[in-house]
Amino acid sequence: DQQVKQNSPSLSVQEGRISILNCDYTNSMFDYFLWYKKYPAEGPTFLISISSIKDKNEDGRFTVFLNKSAKHLSLHIVPSQPGDSAVYFCAASEGSGNTPLVFGKGTRLSVIA
Amino acid sequence: GAVVSQHPSWVICKSGTSVKIECRSLDFQATTMFWYRQFPKKSLMLMATSNEGSKATYEQGVEKDKFLINHASLTLSTLTVTSAHPEDSSFYICSAHAGVQPQHFGDGTRLSIL
Repeated sequence: DQQVKQNSPSLSVQEGRISILNCDYTNSMFDYFLWYKKYPAEGPTFLISISSIKDKNEDGRFTVFLNKSAKHLSLHIVPSQPGDSAVYFCAASEGSGNTPLVFGKGTRLSVIA
Repeated sequence: GAVVSQHPSWVICKSGTSVKIECRSLDFQATTMFWYRQFPKKSLMLMATSNEGSKATYEQGVEKDKFLINHASLTLSTLTVTSAHPEDSSFYICSAHAGVQPQHFGDGTRLSIL
Protein backbone atom coordinates (compact mmCIF):
# COMPACT_ATOMS: atom_id res chain seq x y z
CA ASP A 1 0.00 0.00 0.00
CA GLN A 2 1.71 3.14 -1.24
CA GLN A 3 1.48 5.82 1.44
CA VAL A 4 3.28 8.40 -0.67
CA LYS A 5 2.34 8.60 -4.31
CA GLN A 6 3.92 10.38 -7.21
CA ASN A 7 1.56 9.61 -10.03
CA SER A 8 3.62 11.12 -12.81
CA PRO A 9 6.65 8.98 -13.58
CA SER A 10 8.05 11.61 -15.88
CA LEU A 11 7.72 15.27 -16.80
CA SER A 12 9.25 17.35 -19.60
CA VAL A 13 9.52 21.11 -19.33
CA GLN A 14 11.17 23.75 -21.46
CA GLU A 15 14.06 25.67 -20.03
CA GLY A 16 12.91 28.86 -18.32
CA ARG A 17 9.40 27.57 -17.68
CA ILE A 18 7.94 26.36 -14.41
CA SER A 19 8.21 22.71 -13.38
CA ILE A 20 5.51 21.43 -11.08
CA LEU A 21 5.98 18.05 -9.43
CA ASN A 22 3.11 16.59 -7.48
CA CYS A 23 2.88 14.24 -4.54
CA ASP A 24 -0.06 12.78 -2.63
CA TYR A 25 -0.05 10.97 0.67
CA THR A 26 -2.55 8.87 2.55
CA ASN A 27 -1.19 8.74 6.10
CA SER A 28 -2.68 11.59 8.13
CA MET A 29 0.05 11.11 10.74
CA PHE A 30 2.68 12.47 8.36
CA ASP A 31 3.65 15.96 9.42
CA TYR A 32 7.01 16.52 7.78
CA PHE A 33 7.59 16.42 4.06
CA LEU A 34 10.74 16.58 1.99
CA TRP A 35 11.82 16.66 -1.62
CA TYR A 36 15.00 14.97 -2.73
CA LYS A 37 16.71 15.14 -6.09
CA LYS A 38 18.62 12.17 -7.45
CA TYR A 39 21.07 11.85 -10.30
CA PRO A 40 22.01 8.43 -11.70
CA ALA A 41 24.55 6.53 -9.59
CA GLU A 42 24.28 9.06 -6.78
CA GLY A 43 22.30 9.17 -3.57
CA PRO A 44 19.34 11.48 -3.12
CA THR A 45 20.22 15.07 -2.31
CA PHE A 46 18.00 17.03 0.02
CA LEU A 47 16.27 19.94 -1.68
CA ILE A 48 13.61 21.43 0.52
CA SER A 49 11.24 20.47 3.30
CA ILE A 50 8.05 21.67 4.90
CA SER A 51 6.36 20.90 8.16
CA SER A 52 2.63 20.59 8.52
CA ILE A 53 2.34 23.89 10.36
CA LYS A 54 3.15 25.68 7.13
CA ASP A 55 1.56 25.66 3.71
CA LYS A 56 4.49 27.09 1.79
CA ASN A 57 8.25 27.08 1.99
CA GLU A 58 10.52 28.80 -0.47
CA ASP A 59 14.22 28.45 -1.13
CA GLY A 60 15.54 30.21 -4.19
CA ARG A 61 14.01 28.69 -7.30
CA PHE A 62 12.32 25.95 -5.30
CA THR A 63 8.98 26.31 -3.55
CA VAL A 64 7.04 23.56 -1.84
CA PHE A 65 3.31 23.93 -1.26
CA LEU A 66 1.39 21.79 1.20
CA ASN A 67 -2.37 21.28 1.17
CA LYS A 68 -3.10 19.28 4.28
CA SER A 69 -6.82 18.91 3.67
CA ALA A 70 -6.13 17.39 0.27
CA LYS A 71 -3.07 15.49 1.51
CA HIS A 72 -1.19 16.92 -1.40
CA LEU A 73 2.09 18.68 -1.86
CA SER A 74 3.87 20.05 -4.84
CA LEU A 75 7.33 21.27 -5.74
CA HIS A 76 7.63 24.24 -8.05
CA ILE A 77 10.87 25.00 -9.81
CA VAL A 78 11.06 28.32 -11.57
CA PRO A 79 12.76 29.03 -13.81
CA SER A 80 13.64 25.48 -14.77
CA GLN A 81 17.20 24.84 -15.90
CA PRO A 82 18.73 21.90 -17.79
CA GLY A 83 20.74 21.03 -14.67
CA ASP A 84 17.47 20.39 -12.87
CA SER A 85 16.97 17.28 -14.97
CA ALA A 86 16.93 14.42 -12.46
CA VAL A 87 14.56 12.14 -10.57
CA TYR A 88 12.69 13.92 -7.81
CA PHE A 89 11.48 11.98 -4.80
CA CYS A 90 8.80 13.12 -2.44
CA ALA A 91 9.19 11.79 1.11
CA ALA A 92 7.17 12.04 4.29
CA SER A 93 7.61 11.19 7.94
CA GLU A 94 5.91 11.45 11.28
CA GLY A 95 7.95 14.18 12.88
CA SER A 96 11.22 15.73 11.80
CA GLY A 97 13.32 13.81 14.26
CA ASN A 98 14.96 10.46 13.79
CA THR A 99 11.98 8.87 12.12
CA PRO A 100 12.27 6.98 8.87
CA LEU A 101 11.13 8.48 5.60
CA VAL A 102 8.49 7.01 3.34
CA PHE A 103 9.27 7.72 -0.29
CA GLY A 104 7.25 8.04 -3.44
CA LYS A 105 8.42 6.29 -6.60
CA GLY A 106 9.91 9.45 -8.02
CA THR A 107 9.26 11.65 -11.03
CA ARG A 108 11.87 12.00 -13.73
CA LEU A 109 12.11 15.65 -14.76
CA SER A 110 13.65 16.53 -18.10
CA VAL A 111 14.32 20.19 -18.74
CA ILE A 112 14.75 20.80 -22.43
CA ALA A 113 16.99 23.61 -23.60
CA GLY B 1 27.32 20.75 3.98
CA ALA B 2 26.79 17.39 5.58
CA VAL B 3 28.32 14.46 3.75
CA VAL B 4 27.56 10.80 4.01
CA SER B 5 30.03 8.39 2.48
CA GLN B 6 29.01 4.91 1.44
CA HIS B 7 31.46 2.24 0.39
CA PRO B 8 31.76 0.31 -1.85
CA SER B 9 29.73 1.86 -4.63
CA TRP B 10 29.52 -1.34 -6.67
CA VAL B 11 30.01 -4.97 -5.76
CA ILE B 12 29.85 -8.00 -8.01
CA CYS B 13 30.31 -11.33 -6.29
CA LYS B 14 29.43 -14.98 -6.39
CA SER B 15 26.37 -16.47 -4.78
CA GLY B 16 27.03 -17.47 -1.17
CA THR B 17 29.42 -14.62 -0.47
CA SER B 18 28.84 -12.21 2.39
CA VAL B 19 29.14 -8.54 1.52
CA LYS B 20 29.73 -5.66 3.91
CA ILE B 21 28.63 -2.13 3.08
CA GLU B 22 29.85 0.82 5.14
CA CYS B 23 28.06 4.09 5.76
CA ARG B 24 29.95 6.97 7.33
CA SER B 25 28.86 10.43 8.31
CA LEU B 26 31.90 12.56 7.55
CA ASP B 27 31.28 15.88 9.24
CA PHE B 28 28.61 15.22 11.81
CA GLN B 29 27.68 12.65 14.40
CA ALA B 30 24.67 10.66 13.30
CA THR B 31 22.41 9.56 16.10
CA THR B 32 20.44 7.47 13.67
CA MET B 33 21.26 5.83 10.39
CA PHE B 34 18.77 4.24 8.04
CA TRP B 35 19.24 1.54 5.45
CA TYR B 36 17.09 1.53 2.33
CA ARG B 37 16.81 -0.73 -0.64
CA GLN B 38 15.67 0.28 -4.09
CA PHE B 39 14.42 -2.09 -6.77
CA PRO B 40 14.34 -0.96 -10.40
CA LYS B 41 11.63 1.62 -11.02
CA LYS B 42 10.53 1.42 -7.41
CA SER B 43 10.81 3.81 -4.52
CA LEU B 44 13.33 3.55 -1.73
CA MET B 45 12.09 1.02 0.80
CA LEU B 46 13.21 1.25 4.39
CA MET B 47 14.96 -1.89 5.58
CA ALA B 48 16.05 -0.96 9.08
CA THR B 49 16.72 1.85 11.51
CA SER B 50 20.07 1.82 13.23
CA ASN B 51 20.80 3.68 16.45
CA GLU B 52 24.33 3.91 17.80
CA GLY B 53 25.03 1.37 20.50
CA SER B 54 21.76 -0.49 20.22
CA LYS B 55 20.22 -3.18 18.08
CA ALA B 56 18.77 -2.18 14.75
CA THR B 57 15.03 -2.10 14.24
CA TYR B 58 14.03 -4.02 11.14
CA GLU B 59 10.99 -3.42 8.97
CA GLN B 60 8.50 -6.18 8.49
CA GLY B 61 9.66 -8.71 5.96
CA VAL B 62 13.36 -7.90 6.32
CA GLU B 63 15.35 -10.83 7.67
CA LYS B 64 17.61 -9.64 10.46
CA ASP B 65 19.84 -12.69 10.15
CA LYS B 66 20.26 -12.02 6.47
CA PHE B 67 20.94 -8.32 6.72
CA LEU B 68 23.19 -7.72 9.70
CA ILE B 69 23.46 -4.14 10.83
CA ASN B 70 26.09 -2.81 13.19
CA HIS B 71 26.20 0.78 14.39
CA ALA B 72 29.32 0.82 16.51
CA SER B 73 29.93 4.55 16.56
CA LEU B 74 28.18 7.82 15.86
CA THR B 75 29.83 8.03 12.47
CA LEU B 76 29.72 4.47 11.16
CA SER B 77 27.05 1.91 10.42
CA THR B 78 27.60 -1.27 8.44
CA LEU B 79 25.19 -3.53 6.59
CA THR B 80 26.34 -7.08 5.94
CA VAL B 81 24.38 -9.12 3.42
CA THR B 82 25.12 -12.66 4.54
CA SER B 83 25.32 -15.54 2.10
CA ALA B 84 24.05 -13.33 -0.70
CA HIS B 85 22.00 -14.83 -3.51
CA PRO B 86 20.90 -13.38 -6.86
CA GLU B 87 17.60 -12.18 -5.39
CA ASP B 88 19.59 -9.94 -3.04
CA SER B 89 20.91 -8.02 -6.03
CA SER B 90 19.71 -4.46 -5.58
CA PHE B 91 20.67 -0.91 -4.85
CA TYR B 92 21.32 -0.36 -1.15
CA ILE B 93 21.52 3.13 0.25
CA CYS B 94 22.06 4.54 3.69
CA SER B 95 21.14 7.82 5.26
CA ALA B 96 22.32 9.54 8.38
CA HIS B 97 20.45 11.84 10.65
CA ALA B 98 21.27 14.11 13.56
CA GLY B 99 19.03 16.41 15.52
CA VAL B 100 16.40 18.15 13.43
CA GLN B 101 18.46 18.08 10.25
CA PRO B 102 16.99 16.28 7.25
CA GLN B 103 18.39 12.88 6.42
CA HIS B 104 21.46 12.98 4.23
CA PHE B 105 22.08 10.07 1.92
CA GLY B 106 25.13 8.22 0.75
CA ASP B 107 25.59 7.54 -2.95
CA GLY B 108 24.40 3.96 -2.60
CA THR B 109 25.87 0.55 -3.30
CA ARG B 110 24.88 -1.47 -6.31
CA LEU B 111 25.09 -5.13 -5.38
CA SER B 112 25.11 -7.73 -8.12
CA ILE B 113 25.16 -11.39 -7.14
CA LEU B 114 26.08 -13.85 -9.86
